[in-house]
Order: sequence, then structure tokens, then C-alpha cells
Amino acid sequence: DAGVTQSPTHLIKTRGQHVTLRCSPISGHKSVSWYQQVLGQGPQFIFQYYEKEERGRGNFPDRFSARQFPNYSSELNVNALLLGDSALYLCASSLAGGDEQFFGPGTRLTVL
Amino acid sequence: GENVEQHPSTLSVQEGDSAVIKCTYSDSASNYFPWYKQELGKRPQLIIDIRSNVGEKKDQRIAVTLNKTAKHFSLHITETQPEDSAVYFCAASSSGGGADGLTFGKGTHLIIQP
Repeated sequence: DAGVTQSPTHLIKTRGQHVTLRCSPISGHKSVSWYQQVLGQGPQFIFQYYEKEERGRGNFPDRFSARQFPNYSSELNVNALLLGDSALYLCASSLAGGDEQFFGPGTRLTVL
Repeated sequence: GENVEQHPSTLSVQEGDSAVIKCTYSDSASNYFPWYKQELGKRPQLIIDIRSNVGEKKDQRIAVTLNKTAKHFSLHITETQPEDSAVYFCAASSSGGGADGLTFGKGTHLIIQP
């Protein structure tokens, strides 16, 4: 039984570039949330999607965007990368928006 | 918005002893409180959660208590073992873990001394 998967595992970008991160939820789960985890801190909420609709957004700039596809997988896009965007980006899957959230292994983004 | 404070930041206990981690939250509308364990380089793993209509929940060596009046909740681990060593995060949500996401504490590094 596959858990939440994310790709790529690691990514190195330079300032000003664009990045796309991908997430596949647990089979049967319809909600995906995205979090940013800076080293030494707890995860910080970016977005939640349920049934392909954005249901919630955290305190992140418009450079961050996301979408959810008909198969419930999701993409997180970040434009005009800054050094401060370097972090572990985590995707969490849940049956519906208000249920237990299960995290994927994350994508480690380094911005140089 | 919600603010979650967690302490201590580091906790060292002897193997076999108990460990307690405490969190406070600011939003009285919060109704869902999960705890995650994160080992170095790995994903956060949900270990236990509690909703606001329950005061205490147990799962083997792990228990969580919730005091809604005081707006604090705690994680209790009994008979600690070396594999309990990790960073533990508490979180809170006013939408049951839904549209407003989870607000996390800064984490507690639990060290189990042999």
C-alpha cells in the first residue's frame, strides 16, 4: 500500500528561477496540503486543495501557486526563487480536508 | 491567526523513564491537535491526535491530554526506548485539520539516554 510520494527528492536552483514540485496522495485520498519546513522549525502551511479546489492558503507570497489534478495529484509552483525559499517542501494527504494528514518524504530545495 | 508554543526545545531522559512535552495554543476555535514524530532526514509521522470533545487519548506507551480552558495540550511517553529519540511536533487547527492547515510548534528534540 503506497504512501504519499513526492518528486523530485532534491533540487538545486539559482535565484530568479522557477520550480515545480509534485505530489501523489495516498490512494483514495482527495485532499492535498503543502507545507514548507525550514531547518530547525516546524512545517508551515502553504496551501490546501480538496477535489481540485483551493480550500485554504497560508501566509505566503503570490510567487507560490499550486493546483490539483483530476487524479488528485498536485503540483506546487514557486516563481522568482529567493535564497530564503531553500527548505524542505512537504506534501500531506488526507481523505477529506478535515481528517488526519499523512506526510510524504518531501522535496529538499536549495536556492543558490 | 493561530500561534502554537512548544516546550522544552530539547528533552533528555534516561531509557525507561517518562517524557512529557507541552504545547499551548492561542485560538480558542482550534479543535484538532495532532502530534508528529520526525526522525532525522525523514517525513513527519503522525503518532497520535486528539479532538476538542475529548480530554485524553492513549495508544500503548503514548498519551495526549487536552485542557481547552487553559488552551494547552501535552504528549506523554512512558517507558521510553532508544527508538523514541526524534524531534516531536505538536500542531493545532480550527478546521479539524482542514482549510486553515495545521499550525505547528517549533519542535522538541527528545534524546533517550541509554
